[in-house]
Amino acid sequence: AQSVTQPDIHITVSEGASLELRCNYSYGATPYLFWYVQSPGQGLQLLLKYFSGDTLVQGIKGFEAEFKRSQSSFNLRKPSVHWSDAAEYFCAVGAPGGGNKLTFGTGTQLKVEL
Amino acid sequence: DAGVIQSPRHEVTEMGQEVTLRCKPISGHNSLFWYRQTMMRGLELLIYFNNNVPIDDSGMPEDRFSAKMPNASFSTLKIQPSEPRDSAVYFCASSFGTTTGELFFGEGSRLTVL
Repeated sequence: AQSVTQPDIHITVSEGASLELRCNYSYGATPYLFWYVQSPGQGLQLLLKYFSGDTLVQGIKGFEAEFKRSQSSFNLRKPSVHWSDAAEYFCAVGAPGGGNKLTFGTGTQLKVEL
Repeated sequence: DAGVIQSPRHEVTEMGQEVTLRCKPISGHNSLFWYRQTMMRGLELLIYFNNNVPIDDSGMPEDRFSAKMPNASFSTLKIQPSEPRDSAVYFCASSFGTTTGELFFGEGSRLTVL
């Protein structure tokens, strides 16, 4: 069975600082990997996804993530955080051919200090 | 374009009452997912449909929960009888195809069972 671990429940960064949110997955082969963002009172929105190929993927809102097979990781990064990035971030894993059935991590709540 | 529409946005009911949550997926999408979000368990997939057919309902907690998708534009999630431990935010999501990995989420239905 596939699973996702997000070790950081809460992270606080200053506006303009860099950000890295950690995600580790468990899956027998190379999975499909995703990062979603949830603003308060809203549903989740896709930031970026990795299926294959280049291990550094770019997403919306200036986010990027790097797939590292050796570490079973898919960490999310942003060079300079904006106050509007404050939200909850979810890493998710899906099985190729799994019909878009995703397993989500428990989320990381990002707070941005002005 | 209209996104995924869920109703009601908020529901407060008493233990033992029947609850029906509704979802209208994005037009043209052929997969629909029901997720439950709680602080303790995070986001859990309850059930998903492909072309109106339930594909995987292994996440449905127990017989008190049922879901239907009578046509491509409507789905319901019913809880009967409801219990306090069912209190959560219930999300509906839809997607096009079975390999994109991109789920479009509604804003959720927040259920409180007293």
